[in-house]
This record gives sequence, structure tokens and C-alpha cells, in this order.
Amino acid sequence: DSGVTQTPKHLITATGQRVTLRCSPRSGDLSVYWYQQSLDQGLQFLIQYYNGEERAKGNILERFSAQQFPDLHSELNLSSLELGDSALYFCASSVRDNVLGTFGSGTRLTVV
Amino acid sequence: AQSVTQLDSQVPVFEEAPVELRCNYSSSVSVYLFWYVQYPNQGLQLLLKYLSGSTLVKGINGFEAEFNKSQTSFHLRKPSVHISDTAEYFCAVFTSTDKLIFGTGTRLQVFP
Repeated sequence: DSGVTQTPKHLITATGQRVTLRCSPRSGDLSVYWYQQSLDQGLQFLIQYYNGEERAKGNILERFSAQQFPDLHSELNLSSLELGDSALYFCASSVRDNVLGTFGSGTRLTVV
Repeated sequence: AQSVTQLDSQVPVFEEAPVELRCNYSSSVSVYLFWYVQYPNQGLQLLLKYLSGSTLVKGINGFEAEFNKSQTSFHLRKPSVHISDTAEYFCAVFTSTDKLIFGTGTRLQVFP
């Protein structure tokens, strides 16, 4: 157990729908990173939050958004879902900004 | 921009044989390098990392990697593999701007 908790573990939804993925960082970690792992794009950095503020953006679509709450958990919102959004979504957390994070076990999203 | 190239998408090997998984990166600045392992239906686990200092880095499960700045490589090696090493292996580079950039992965298949 890495200490980073992601829920749900699996999610199946239809095209056009909206889903929310949740990440609880390790105790004491202020930074949260989101990554997407898909068959065609591989592992890609999406977005990072540090202590509630957006810190860096990667290849995140406009249909996707994220936030980090005062209790430091983070949510990744995916809307107007397409078949190509099917992927494994990972969250990682770290104590400080700009350091390597510890990964959670991911949420597998299937869009049908 | 940073990039990571894993030269082999699949590496089949017999149990107890040595293995090398190749990784090259492109960077004009100092980088931090990592190898992660992903077992089937699981998250990413850090195998080892190079931040600075000795170019030979030892990680978990008997793996090691050598940082070669002149060849911009960070190949992963193990002198004797086990069936349980069957997994996907990802090389990654971490920079302050791009966060973690992953290679496309190498599937190590160990046969009895």
C-alpha cells in the first residue's frame, strides 16, 4: 500500500457522460499529480496541484478539469467522455512541489 | 522538450538469464532518471532512481541501472531474472517543467 488512495478502482460509463475520479494523497503530502495511461498515448502527465493551487499543466484536454480541496484530496473531472478517454488514471502525491511522487494504484475508466 | 525512448517494446527471456532493458533520453539540462515497474493490473512502483553521484544505481528486486551522460542512456539490468519479474517497465525523466516524462514501456516476459 503506497498510502495514496484512488477511488473508484474501476468505472464504466457511456460516451457523453461526466465522471469524477478521486485521489487522497499520503498523509502530509501537499502536492498531487494526475497521469493518464492509455494504449495509444502511453503514460502522460496531466496536471499538478500544490496546497490547493494549480502548479503545472501537461497534456490535459479542455474537457478535463481538476481541483485540490482544503483537506488536500484532489478530484479529476472528465466530461463529454469519448471512447478514446478509456484509460488508467493515476494519481501521485509528494511532500513538496517539484519532487517525485508516490503513485496510487489507479482508476481504470472504460467508456462504452 | 524532454523525451524518453525505450528501444524495445518487448523483451522475452528465460528464467535465470541476464536481461538489459534499454532507455535513452534527450535533454540539454540536468535530469533525474527513474525506472518504474508495473505488474499486471497494478499501479506503478519505483524500482530505482538516479539523482546525482554514482552512475551505477541499485534498486529493489536485484535491479540496477547505469547512467551514461555521454550516451544519454539509463539502461536497466538484472543478472538473473525470475518468473515474477514479468511486468511492464517504464523509464522516466523528471524535470521541473515537464514533471515526469515516461517512455512507452518495455514488456519483460520471463519464460521457465
